[in-house]
Amino acid sequence: NAGVMQNPRHLVRRRGQEARLRCSPMKGHSHVYWYRQLPEEGLKFMVYLQKENIIDESGMPKERFSAEFPKEGPSILRIQQVVRGDSAAYFCASKGPDNQPQHFGDGTRLSIL
Amino acid sequence: AQTVTQSQPEMSVQEAETVTLSCTYDTSESNYYLFWYKQPPSRQMILVIRQEAYKQQNATENRFSVNFQKAAKSFSLKISDSQLGDTAMYFCAFMRNNAGNMLTFGGGTRLMVKP
Repeated sequence: NAGVMQNPRHLVRRRGQEARLRCSPMKGHSHVYWYRQLPEEGLKFMVYLQKENIIDESGMPKERFSAEFPKEGPSILRIQQVVRGDSAAYFCASKGPDNQPQHFGDGTRLSIL
Repeated sequence: AQTVTQSQPEMSVQEAETVTLSCTYDTSESNYYLFWYKQPPSRQMILVIRQEAYKQQNATENRFSVNFQKAAKSFSLKISDSQLGDTAMYFCAFMRNNAGNMLTFGGGTRLMVKP
């Protein structure tokens, strides 16, 4: 029973390029959350999605960042025209219905050159 | 909005001894959940323990237990018989009941277990 799968584990981009981060939730989970962790800080909520719907994006920067969770396939966090300040670890979590705890993937470490 | 505060950036403990990590939070909600997550150097986020606010009994998971003081909005984690593998960052987290269920994390406490 595979856990939450994130890829790539490490991603290096140059300033101005696009970054795409992928997350496959645990089997049976239809709720997906993205969090960002800056160095030496806790995780900060970015966006909450269910299949084909963005439920809450109150933690997403207004520009350059977008997320989707299509009917088929993984959830994607997309960062356009990356800047040095986007360097961070990005974690995806999924959960089942009601108030079950969230299960986290291993994260994607994004480095901007 | 909810806030979670961990006032101890770093702590250390001798192997086999007991250590307590502090966490306080601020909320106007009455029904919520609290969690402790462990993040070892591998960077995984591992759920350690969970507490429902409506339960008065403190949660326990093997060597890990919490002291939940709802009126004081305090949620400390006690690790008994500390092991070298307990060395990690520990994050306290708050979750409202329903309403999206996103987690609000504290800034973390770095725990070092010394042999």
